[in-house]
Order: sequence, then structure tokens, then C-alpha cells
Amino acid sequence: GAVVSQHPSRVICKSGTSVKIECRSLDFQATTMFWYRQFPKQSLMLMATSNEGSKATYEQGVEKDKFLINHASLTLSTLTVTSAHPEDSSFYICSAQGANEQFFGPGTRLTVL
Amino acid sequence: AQSVTQPDIHITVSEGASLELRCNYSYGATPYLFWYVQSPGQGLQLLLKYFSGDTLVQGIKGFEAEFKRSQSSFNLRKPSVHWSDAAEYFCAVGGAGNKLTFGGGTRVLVKP
Repeated sequence: GAVVSQHPSRVICKSGTSVKIECRSLDFQATTMFWYRQFPKQSLMLMATSNEGSKATYEQGVEKDKFLINHASLTLSTLTVTSAHPEDSSFYICSAQGANEQFFGPGTRLTVL
Repeated sequence: AQSVTQPDIHITVSEGASLELRCNYSYGATPYLFWYVQSPGQGLQLLLKYFSGDTLVQGIKGFEAEFKRSQSSFNLRKPSVHWSDAAEYFCAVGGAGNKLTFGGGTRVLVKP
């Protein structure tokens, strides 16, 4: 199956700093990628849809100025958490849209101190 | 708006016993339905999907699911559980723009 990677797998940062998470489709091109957030013992919540070459579309309640998404190529989307605060601590998961299904990355654990 | 409900938060099953995970969905049109498994440290893996056609869908790792439109259900089953099946299972419905809405998940524990 198609492979999606995320980097870093874990990151710890201080409150007020920004963190960038990369999502790459390794063996296929994806015009659409998705970013999800998962709190402990909870489900995945879609944050935004990332489209190559255009602005991301955010779900209701997601602050687009806090969660900056860039999809500059067909294999790379980035999520930047700006001015991170402890409440942004979570597990962030990306996926890349294939022909009939989404392929998921392994996730990034963000801890904001 | 689409939604997915997984009524069971936890299920404990003995190794070798059968497993059934429940999933109910709400969607206005013909749904695209998915079951994913999430193991610690690994990304979500697709077990099976239903788009149309035969309502009994076979997936990987010996799993199957049955789409029942009248009950708005898409329950996942496995005849004989292995210890490696211990994981979190998510049911999801696909909507416009390929967006997925996930259920709350069911954690499966396997007793030896």
C-alpha cells in the first residue's frame, strides 16, 4: 500500500514557540491531504483539507491563523502550530488521498510545556 | 451532517473467540463506509471499505463487515481473534470532498 510519513514523530516545545510538522506521500502524488487531531483516548477530528497549490480549507472551529497549512508540492504538506500553548498538546495525524482511500501517516505527538 | 457512533468503548475478548464491533452511521446519501485499525506507534490502517455492491465486505487480517441500510449499520466481525488484534478500531463514513467522519473508536483487549 501507499506510504505516508510524518516528521517529527514527537516534539516538545515551549509555550509561545511555533512548531512545523511535515507530511509526505512517499510513493504517490496527492493533490489532497488532510490534517486530523486526536486527543487521548478519543477519535480523530478533521482539522483541515490541504489542496496542492491552493489555500487549505478549515473545519468549523479551527483557527486558521494558529494552524497554518501549506501544500506546496504533490508529495508534501506542512502544518505549523503557531504560538503554541499547552492546550495545543495533542496527537496530529495527516493523511493523503489516494484513488479510493486515504492513507494515514503515523502521527506526531506534540507536547507544549 | 454525517455522524458515526460506535456504542462500545471497550471490548474484551478471549483469544480464539469471535469478535463483533458495532458501527451506526447517519448520512443523507449512499454512504462510503470504512473500518480502520490503529495500533500504538502506527498509523491508521484500512481494514475494509464499502462503496456499493455486495453488502458483505471482506477485508484484510480475516475481518469482514456487513452493510445494513435498514439499520444504518456497518458492523465489523472476525470469527477467531488473535492476540495481535488488540488495538483501537475506528469506523468512518466518507462524505463530500473525501472527508472522513470517524466514530469514537472501540478499544479491543484480547485475553490469553
